[in-house]
Amino acid sequence: GAVVSQHPSRVICKSGTSVKIECRSLDFQATTMFWYRQFPKKSLMLMATSNEGSKATYEQGVEKDKFLINHASLTLSTLTVTSAHPEDSSFYICSARDPHDGYTFGSGTRLTVV
Amino acid sequence: QKEVEQDPGPLSVPEGAIVSLNCTYSNSAFQYFMWYRQYSRKGPELLMYTYSSGNKEDGRFTAQVDKSSKYISLFIRDSQPSDSATYLCAMSEGSGGYNKLIFGAGTRLAVHP
Repeated sequence: GAVVSQHPSRVICKSGTSVKIECRSLDFQATTMFWYRQFPKKSLMLMATSNEGSKATYEQGVEKDKFLINHASLTLSTLTVTSAHPEDSSFYICSARDPHDGYTFGSGTRLTVV
Repeated sequence: QKEVEQDPGPLSVPEGAIVSLNCTYSNSAFQYFMWYRQYSRKGPELLMYTYSSGNKEDGRFTAQVDKSSKYISLFIRDSQPSDSATYLCAMSEGSGGYNKLIFGAGTRLAVHP
């Protein structure tokens, strides 16, 4: 089946630093990937839609300068949390539309900003 | 009003019980309906995928979509402790890769031996 690999699975960083999260489609090409944020015991909130070769589309209320998205190839999208603050601590998950008409998700990245 | 409403639970059932999970939605343009299972601190995994109205069965899982009522359900038969997880309904308007999924809040299910 389709596999989406997300790294790192956990990261701890200091306030003010930047963190990059990678999302790769391993056995299929994904022109579009999605980035979500999930708070404890809450559902997934779509942050942005990542389009290969073009700018990402951000949901209302999501700061595009803080959450930088780059989709440089058909198998890789990255999310960079810039100048991280403790309130950015969360579970970040990516997904991609796979060839079988489903949305395959990565395993998520738990970000803790201290 | 949220686009997708889902009772967050928690729902606790004994092993072997039939579980019914439900979502309602307000956007009549939704055509694709999915159920995902998410274990703690993991990404969601797709359980069922249906298009438009009707039923779909896969092993112990049955998904139902009633577009006239804007209501979808997931039934789990012979529930097992390994089914303990959060179940998320999700839906989208189109099938193209650019169509974004809208999720329900997720229902936490606990199946006890």
